[in-house]
Amino acid sequence: GQNIDQPTEMTATEGAIVQINCTYQTSGFNGLFWYQQHAGEAPTFLSYNVLDGLEEKGRFSSFLSRSKGYSYLLLKELQMKDSASYLCAVRVRDSNYQLIWGAGTKLIIKP
Amino acid sequence: ETGVTQSPTHLIKTRGQQVTLRCSSQSGHNTVSWYQQALGQGPQFIFQYYREEENGRGNFPPRFSGLQFPNYSSELNVNALELDDSALYLCASSLKDSAETQYFGPGTRLLVL
Repeated sequence: GQNIDQPTEMTATEGAIVQINCTYQTSGFNGLFWYQQHAGEAPTFLSYNVLDGLEEKGRFSSFLSRSKGYSYLLLKELQMKDSASYLCAVRVRDSNYQLIWGAGTKLIIKP
Repeated sequence: ETGVTQSPTHLIKTRGQQVTLRCSSQSGHNTVSWYQQALGQGPQFIFQYYREEENGRGNFPPRFSGLQFPNYSSELNVNALELDDSALYLCASSLKDSAETQYFGPGTRLLVL
């Protein structure tokens, strides 16, 4: 079956760094996405990894290891507005390139 | 702003009723995917439409149906509403290409009483 795991909730301090992990077991891997979702709003695209390694985009970076079925999202210089849920999603070739989603990690930023 | 719009933003229905939700895709995008997101959960894939044809379906019963129009806008129809259908319904548009990212509309929040 297809499965994606993320921690349910994490807490971090403003100005600090936090790493949100995602592990997956899927067939026909075709890329991994990270989305940010504020409460009551739609997910917004953050990053995309299809090859192993680190992708950096400003304060956010995402890492992928396909052999380990593992990704993380790294958020630096945390701001209060970063309080949101972070969703990991895997695109699966065998299912017509559909996205399989994790349940999301709720990130709480404290002053 | 992704350029993807949905209507209505909120909707209240009673059990057994039918509902139609609408989505306009981002300019140039020919693929629309629909998701159901319950509170505290990740989105669950309902189905995808590409060039007016259903192009994949998740684990949802036949009372969930859809359409895509020549301008690539789309509708999600749900018949015989159940209490558990209460959720945020999201549509996402993209190009039908393996490397293309999906961009989400603001969602329709449906409450079934």
